[in-house]
Amino acid sequence: EVQLVESGGGVIQPGGSLRLSCAASGFTFDDYAMHWVRQAPGKGLEWVSLISGDGGSTYYADSVKGRFTISRDNSKNSLYLQMNSLRTEDTALYYCAKDLLRGGWDYWGQGTLVTVSS
Amino acid sequence: QTVVTQEPSLTVSPGGTVTLTCASSTGAVTSGYFPSWFQQKPGHAPRALIYSTSNKHSWTPARFSGSLLGGKAALTLSGVQPEDEAEYYCLLYYGGAQPWVFGGGTKLTVL
Repeated sequence: EVQLVESGGGVIQPGGSLRLSCAASGFTFDDYAMHWVRQAPGKGLEWVSLISGDGGSTYYADSVKGRFTISRDNSKNSLYLQMNSLRTEDTALYYCAKDLLRGGWDYWGQGTLVTVSS
Repeated sequence: QTVVTQEPSLTVSPGGTVTLTCASSTGAVTSGYFPSWFQQKPGHAPRALIYSTSNKHSWTPARFSGSLLGGKAALTLSGVQPEDEAEYYCLLYYGGAQPWVFGGGTKLTVL
């Protein structure tokens, strides 16, 4: 059974940093690209970042480029999102999601809440 | 900036049929955009329904189908059930530096 479990969310002041983690199980982790997606309270889904299966390629939404860094440790079946220079508009539920390799995505985690507030 | 547009809201009667659409600001949506559809109920994570235009996941109910319609991606629900009331999001692939873009979502009410 595929499972994705996010952690690391919390309340942080503007300008602060936070590192999110996503623990994966039930599939061969390094075979698949992985995504981070966020959802601000009461709003829609926003794609945030993508990393290839080997970690060699990364992509970011303009809204987070230069502030967020996606990475993975395939030996630990884990995905990460390092978030620096946080802004109030980064407040959201952050999900990790698994790529399907056939032009889509399949499994999602339950999300971890990040609140940026003074 | 690329914008993906969905109907903000739709209402359907139980047992009826409804089609949700997904348009791209760059022009007609084709299979090369790998349209995907997700369902999200309040307080829950999104759930994948359709990928690559019309392919269903193993858990996708048969009443859901995906297609291309008039230059848009489309999600059709046939024989709508009360439990289908949810927010539905489409996702398109553009490649490049920001490869994936979500639509704004459609709130489907079953009434």
